Amino acid sequence: KAGVTQTPRYLIKTRGQQVTLSCSPISGHRSVSWYQQTPGQGLQFLFEYFSETQRNKGNFPGRFSGRQFSNSRSEMNVSTLELGDSALYLCASSRTPTSVDEQFFGPGTRLTVL
Amino acid sequence: GQNIDQPTEMTATEGAIVQINCTYQTSGFNGLFWYQQHAGEAPTFLSYNVLDGLEEKGRFSSFLSRSKGYSYLLLKELQMKDSASYLCAVREDNYGQNFVFGPGTRLSVLP
Repeated sequence: KAGVTQTPRYLIKTRGQQVTLSCSPISGHRSVSWYQQTPGQGLQFLFEYFSETQRNKGNFPGRFSGRQFSNSRSEMNVSTLELGDSALYLCASSRTPTSVDEQFFGPGTRLTVL
Repeated sequence: GQNIDQPTEMTATEGAIVQINCTYQTSGFNGLFWYQQHAGEAPTFLSYNVLDGLEEKGRFSSFLSRSKGYSYLLLKELQMKDSASYLCAVREDNYGQNFVFGPGTRLSVLP
């Protein structure tokens, strides 16, 4: 069974640009969550999608957005990039939002903003 | 508010036992999770507690006291490969997978 996949793995952008990251969950998993990880703030929840609907959102500005497609694949978009957006962006999937199973994390996308 | 505390760093010797503590104050509680994260890699699930008590999984055990807002992860028979960061995370509600993560404890296992 394939794990969670994220593309691209590494990305370099400049301030003011926008970026789209992609996440494909484990087959059969319909809940996808996104996290930002930085050395200073640790792992912070961005948002969660289930059945193409955003169920929860963390405390991030509106520049951060996402969506989920009918095949459960998800994308997140960051517009007007700032230097502070440099981070590892992790996607995690689970069968449903209320699964007591653990989340399975993807390898992440390392975003560097110059 | 949300607050999860863990020691920043710990050091232990190969073959020993180490206990990593986690205290939390969150607006809701629907389970406490422990994850292991090696440098440059994604977190991987270790254990899950929703009721008070001890959950054992091989060399790893996790304990929860909901009344005290306290959990610990116990690692036995430490191996060099256990050198990693250990993240404590609370799932706040039953409606989603919005986890609140602690800052992580970096464990170094020495020969």
